[in-house]
Amino acid sequence: GAGVSQSPSNKVTEKGKDVELRCDPISGHTALYWYRQSLGQGLEFLIYFQGNSAPDKSGLPSDRFSAERTGGSVSTLTIQRTQQEDSAVYLCASSLAGTGTGELFFGEGSRLTVL
Amino acid sequence: GEDVEQSLFLSVREGDSSVINCTYTDSSSTYLYWYKQEPGAGLQLLTYIFSNMDMKQDQRLTVLLNKKDKHLSLRIADTQTGDSAIYFCAESIRNRDDKIIFGKGTRLHILP
Repeated sequence: GAGVSQSPSNKVTEKGKDVELRCDPISGHTALYWYRQSLGQGLEFLIYFQGNSAPDKSGLPSDRFSAERTGGSVSTLTIQRTQQEDSAVYLCASSLAGTGTGELFFGEGSRLTVL
Repeated sequence: GEDVEQSLFLSVREGDSSVINCTYTDSSSTYLYWYKQEPGAGLQLLTYIFSNMDMKQDQRLTVLLNKKDKHLSLRIADTQTGDSAIYFCAESIRNRDDKIIFGKGTRLHILP
């Protein structure tokens, strides 16, 4: 597609349920990033992928969070046993890493609300 | 460690210059960026500077980089109401395979 696509755009879930967030990057972009944006917390780095591997998982808040990327394209971020503090906008971005300026192209985000 | 710090709020009168400051900690940063997030919209790259440059000017925008002090600033001349947004400073850490770290963002409020 023309841009980074994320789904769902909005998700309301009950505490304790699992959620899956999907990111479809720009075709040909090798790097893919997940960030979390909460009120007053700015943009928090979660994880990034180079191809299918994740060199840095240090930003994942707990072991309830996991992410995978297959075929060097689509990525899913999974949150197990959601808690209210997981409520945030989850942003995905992709880039042509290793070339040029490394500009990130962001999706519109998935807004997660945990009741 | 990797950390990017910036003040959270800035209020400026319309027509004045806005200066948004940022400090970073990783000396291996290759590119430094300013991203803009308008209300209800995603982040978009506003401008960037390569780490071996001191200054970059692009129309109303001036980026200044003091590598010794690890200080980056964004100056917006003749600030307009359309400049109202959150501005994020970010650094690219090339020896960490292009990991990009963002600051918390500075909300720019324009006073009439």
